Amino acid sequence: GDSVTQMEGPVTLSEEAFLTINCTYTATGYPSLFWYVQYPGEGLQLLLKATKADDKGSNKGFEATYRKETTSFHLEKGSVQVSDSAVYFCALRGLQGGSEKLVFGKGTKLTVNP
Amino acid sequence: SQTIHQWPATLVQPVGSPLSLECTVEGTSNPNLYWYRQAAGRGLQLLFYSVGIGQISSEVPQNLSASRPQDRQFILSSKKLLLSDSGFYLCAWGTRTEYGYTFGSGTRLTVV
Repeated sequence: GDSVTQMEGPVTLSEEAFLTINCTYTATGYPSLFWYVQYPGEGLQLLLKATKADDKGSNKGFEATYRKETTSFHLEKGSVQVSDSAVYFCALRGLQGGSEKLVFGKGTKLTVNP
Repeated sequence: SQTIHQWPATLVQPVGSPLSLECTVEGTSNPNLYWYRQAAGRGLQLLFYSVGIGQISSEVPQNLSASRPQDRQFILSSKKLLLSDSGFYLCAWGTRTEYGYTFGSGTRLTVV
């Protein structure tokens, strides 16, 4: 079945550092790919998405490019802020028995220190 | 615009007591609905999903059940809670594949 593998962390960075969180996937066909963010005590929010190969999703300074050749969707940000501290989930959504379920990675906890 | 409501936000229940968590969606019709659980320090586990009224698919055998009595209402229940049922429960809805899900704000359940 479809699956997502992401670096588990935790990741600790200083403010203004460069961030990369790796995500690779296994899926049949052409899934849509997503990054979600969960701030402490809250639900998940969609951060960005890409629906086909070579698409780049971007939002709030974060970017990720859908790489079909490497089956990857790595999350990057050039300069992180303390407010970016959260758990980040990579996910894919494809057809599995017609239910179109969203499959998540295990999440990566990011802590940004001032 | 579409919104999703989930309540209560926090719940403390004794072992063996019943559970009912409710989720409602506004601004869309015939959405796919999902219940996820997030145990402390762990990832997201899909518990149930529904593609229509009365249609429930279970992902993991467990002490919980789900029902969809109306198009935009999804209920998670248990007759007798276990300590292992503690966690953060998230409801979500989704439509087309190229879109992700929209999540509710979650319910923090502690079974004592």
